[in-house]
Amino acid sequence: AQKITQTQPGMFVQEKEAVTLDCTYDTSDPSYGLFWYKQPSSGEMIFLIYQGSYDQQNATEGRYSLNFQKARKSANLVISASQLGDSAMYFCAMREGGSYIPTFGRGTSLIVHP
Amino acid sequence: DGGITQSPKYLFRKEGQNVTLSCEQNLNHDAMYWYRQDPGQGLRLIYYSQIVNDFQKGDIAEGYSVSREKKESFPLTVTSAQKNPTAFYLCASSILAGSGDTQYFGPGTRLTVL
Repeated sequence: AQKITQTQPGMFVQEKEAVTLDCTYDTSDPSYGLFWYKQPSSGEMIFLIYQGSYDQQNATEGRYSLNFQKARKSANLVISASQLGDSAMYFCAMREGGSYIPTFGRGTSLIVHP
Repeated sequence: DGGITQSPKYLFRKEGQNVTLSCEQNLNHDAMYWYRQDPGQGLRLIYYSQIVNDFQKGDIAEGYSVSREKKESFPLTVTSAQKNPTAFYLCASSILAGSGDTQYFGPGTRLTVL
């Protein structure tokens, strides 16, 4: 079974608008971490934001925020005030407690229109 | 500046040849990883290493080999036994194993078999 599911293969957003990229996960481990990465066309994976399973508040990093709904097992990435440079692939990943290896989703392609 | 370097950026290989991809990090991270990414796909784990002189196979280790003689270095050899090696290869490192330990990635090597 998929541990990380990103159901949106592609998303389009107008510049300066907000966009939400979906991620759902599956684990029975009470301790886990959730990560979002950005992969521009150059190929490098850039770490954006982290949310721990025990964190009480949603993580935020600049224009990025993570909408963490534990009961629904979702960890959606919200990008506010989209910029042209936000056009990229976005990957959600989960690392369970005691595991060295995170599991990655298949990614969502985001295109920001001027 | 601390970071992860991979070389070369582009690599061309003739069928039947072994090639070695370099990965070096100066982040003082204990764990290092190799991933393969095919077009439109997520990341698949090839090998990982938690400490020097120790490494474990990931999901797609067949046709690949690694070594970890120094903490800073984790080279990947793509052998002639790998049937379809054309792909994008990413190296990553992390402090170690906690669920909150973020992986940081290098810029990647794009391997093409001629």
